[in-house]
Amino acid sequence: DAKTTQPPSMDCAEGRAANLPCNHSTISGNEYVYWYRQIHSQGPQYIIHGLKNNETNEMASLIITEDRKSSTLILPHATLRDTAVYYCIAIDRGSTLGRLYFGRGTQLTVWP
Amino acid sequence: DAGVIQSPRHEVTEMGQEVTLRCKPISGHDYLFWYRQTMMRGLELLIYFNNNVPIDDSGMPEDRFSAKMPNASFSTLKIQPSEPRDSAVYFCASSLRGRGGELFFGEGSRLTVL
Repeated sequence: DAKTTQPPSMDCAEGRAANLPCNHSTISGNEYVYWYRQIHSQGPQYIIHGLKNNETNEMASLIITEDRKSSTLILPHATLRDTAVYYCIAIDRGSTLGRLYFGRGTQLTVWP
Repeated sequence: DAGVIQSPRHEVTEMGQEVTLRCKPISGHDYLFWYRQTMMRGLELLIYFNNNVPIDDSGMPEDRFSAKMPNASFSTLKIQPSEPRDSAVYFCASSLRGRGGELFFGEGSRLTVL
């Protein structure tokens, strides 16, 4: 699976958009980009995933560059409850089912 | 749905004792995963099952660890004998076939071995 690189920490003011970057320059054509987050003392939570098109759901938007070497997770109006570690993972869904490499992620701190 | 249910939430035991962690996956999910999280190593996959059959246990650290899934609604992770270095948070997760990267995690079992 492609290795991903994320900044170790970011912060954001409440109500503003949080833009979390992820670099996956070695991603292959079969690999999807998945985002999870882990709020302190809880299990990881799936947020969103995409292959090459931008995606949006009720939690966030995912923007993938045309060359697919990087992506950005956008939380449009961050709240204090969005404070968490965010993980970007590249997965070949066919061959590496379940073997998610979470890495260290980005600690997002949202402050009032 | 109640989500993935794990028990106990917290366990404190002494070195050498047997520890059994339990997991109930989401009804209808056919994949079940056991992960371990420590500060040093982050989240690591230990083992996963498909339709109650162990598929990949290469992440199980050593023979002291064993996992079973006797039916579709229950799994156990056992450590015997436990050691202080086994102290960690153990997560169980489940998913549906065809949604391979979308795992639903339980709240974890925090194990402390003294």
